[in-house]
Amino acid sequence: GQQLNQSPQSMFIQEGEDVSMNCTSSSIFNTWLWYKQDPGEGPVLLIALYKAGELTSNGRLTAQFGITRKDSFLNISASIPSDVGIYFCAGLTSGTYKYIFGTGTRLKVLA
Amino acid sequence: GAVVSQHPSRVICKSGTSVKIECRSLDFQATTMFWYRQFPKQSLMLMATSNEGSKATYEQGVEKDKFLINHASLTLSTLTVTSAHPEDSSFYICSARKGSWGTNTEAFFGQGTRLTVV
Repeated sequence: GQQLNQSPQSMFIQEGEDVSMNCTSSSIFNTWLWYKQDPGEGPVLLIALYKAGELTSNGRLTAQFGITRKDSFLNISASIPSDVGIYFCAGLTSGTYKYIFGTGTRLKVLA
Repeated sequence: GAVVSQHPSRVICKSGTSVKIECRSLDFQATTMFWYRQFPKQSLMLMATSNEGSKATYEQGVEKDKFLINHASLTLSTLTVTSAHPEDSSFYICSARKGSWGTNTEAFFGQGTRLTVV
């Protein structure tokens, strides 16, 4: 199936550092969603973006809907150990109205 | 947010038997639910889109006779894995869309079901 390219694939960071990850597509999306998944659990919605250029924050998390509508970015500031997990972006396609998921970014935080 | 409950969280079944997984939206109505399959250390692969009151739409390569989907009410969708085989062992996750098309919508996920076929 279709997937979005997400980078980096994985990253180790020190506690307190800022983290950036992005998601790119060859297609235009109307909505971008960012999720966090812990092992053995379903993804939990972090941020939803609905308009090109939109910048939205949720606590230490900030996400942006790219101007071209083909990409999105997620930043985590001052990371803490509980930020460990897999982060997925998801784009909502126009027309077919399906949520397509990114390949995921595995984040590990070193205390 | 919104709450989506998936049951069971884990199931072990014998090869050749069928298993039913339920996905319920607890505090909102969902005309559309989605079923995903996730292999270890991989992303979520969409299997099918479930629409209340109509037949599910399956993704290419997904056998509709193997993975039966029923969306009989606005709060419940079920996935039945028929004649399960070891290769069907996987993590299955549902999500429910909150909001109507044409408005800002979000998808909320269940806890997932770990299926092991022995």
